[in-house]
Amino acid sequence: EAQVTQNPRYLITVTGKKLTVTCSQNMNHEYMSWYRQDPGLGLRQIYYSMNVEVTDKGDVPEGYKVSRKEKRNFPLILESPSPNQTSLYFCASSSDGEQYFGPGTRLTVT
Amino acid sequence: SQQGEEDPQALSIQEGENATMNCSYKTSINNLQWYRQNSGRGLVHLILIRSNEREKHSGRLRVTLDTSKKSSSLLITASRAADTASYFCATDAIWDSWGKLQFGAGTQVVVTP
Repeated sequence: EAQVTQNPRYLITVTGKKLTVTCSQNMNHEYMSWYRQDPGLGLRQIYYSMNVEVTDKGDVPEGYKVSRKEKRNFPLILESPSPNQTSLYFCASSSDGEQYFGPGTRLTVT
Repeated sequence: SQQGEEDPQALSIQEGENATMNCSYKTSINNLQWYRQNSGRGLVHLILIRSNEREKHSGRLRVTLDTSKKSSSLLITASRAADTASYFCATDAIWDSWGKLQFGAGTQVVVTP
């Protein structure tokens, strides 16, 4: 089944403790992206990647890192999480513009 | 900054009625997409319309695009309770790579039986 998976689905952590949210797709898509969703703000793009080893900033990249060492994986790294990064995070992949979204990761930073 | 803005923010209709929502954007685009999100879940792609297209249909969905007014509309005909969801438009600006998408804040649609 074609899908985008994210792990973990839920995470509660403390300020400053490094964390990684994994994202994997099995559709051989070149494009992958991370978004955060906050009430009243819709989805905002954090980072995206057009291919392996090619990443670029979206609209809200501060406080986040990404890497694209393999085509199928696109992890999101928070080196020092802060409470304002509490949000619902979505990973997506695409081959032709239509994006396939993962189920989301709900992150709470206390 | 948000590129797309949906209107209305919320819409409540009865089954069988049509639902119309609009999206306005600020800059020239390559294409515009509509997505649906059921509460707290991942977004599902509905339809993509390119900047040189004016109208597109998919099942009960009809999307129009007016590039002169920088606006798009999504019409859901004969709505069903299962159409209850939030609907988002997303655009990629013409000078950006197609991968840089901007979403609006969404229209929350409630369809009551």
